[in-house]
Amino acid sequence: GQSLEQPSEVTAVEGAIVQINCTYQTSGFYGLSWYQQHDGGAPTFLSYNALDGLEETGRFSSFLSRSDSYGYLLLQELQMKDSASYFCAALRFQKLVFGTGTRLLVSP
Amino acid sequence: DVKVTQSSRYLVKRTGEKVFLECVQDMDHENMFWYRQDPGLGLRLIYFSYDVKMKEKGDIPEGYSVSREKKERFSLILESASTNQTSMYLCASSLDGGETQYFGPGTRLLVL
Repeated sequence: GQSLEQPSEVTAVEGAIVQINCTYQTSGFYGLSWYQQHDGGAPTFLSYNALDGLEETGRFSSFLSRSDSYGYLLLQELQMKDSASYFCAALRFQKLVFGTGTRLLVSP
Repeated sequence: DVKVTQSSRYLVKRTGEKVFLECVQDMDHENMFWYRQDPGLGLRLIYFSYDVKMKEKGDIPEGYSVSREKKERFSLILESASTNQTSMYLCASSLDGGETQYFGPGTRLLVL
């Protein structure tokens, strides 16, 4: 079957750096996407890694290691507005299989 | 900006009713998806459509059906609603690749 594991909750303070890990087990794997979802809102796309290595988009970076079936989302210079749930999702055959999500709580 | 709209934000139905959830996207995307989201379970794919009149079952299709008569519209149908279908339903669309999906605001369905 397909499964993605990520921590259920992470806490951090404003200005800090936080890393959200994701390990996956899925056949037909093409790449790893990350989505952000604020309470009451819709998931929004953050990043996608098809190849091994680091992809940087502003304060957010995402990493993939295919050999380790592992990826992470790195959030730098945390702001209060980054408090949200973050989902990793494995792309297989044009469809995404989502992890159960990591709730990030940023405190002052 | 891609816009994905869903027909209702909140819906209350009774057990046994037939329920229609509508989703419309305005970016000419080939792919459309229906998910349900439940606490602690993440987003689970119900059905996927990669073209008009084409559909594919997702991970949890039981109790649901879909319709895609036009490219921009993808409907989710609960033939006979049950209490265990109380959930948040999210529609999404994407271009060919599928890695970037654009989500609608969601419909919170309560089945009594």
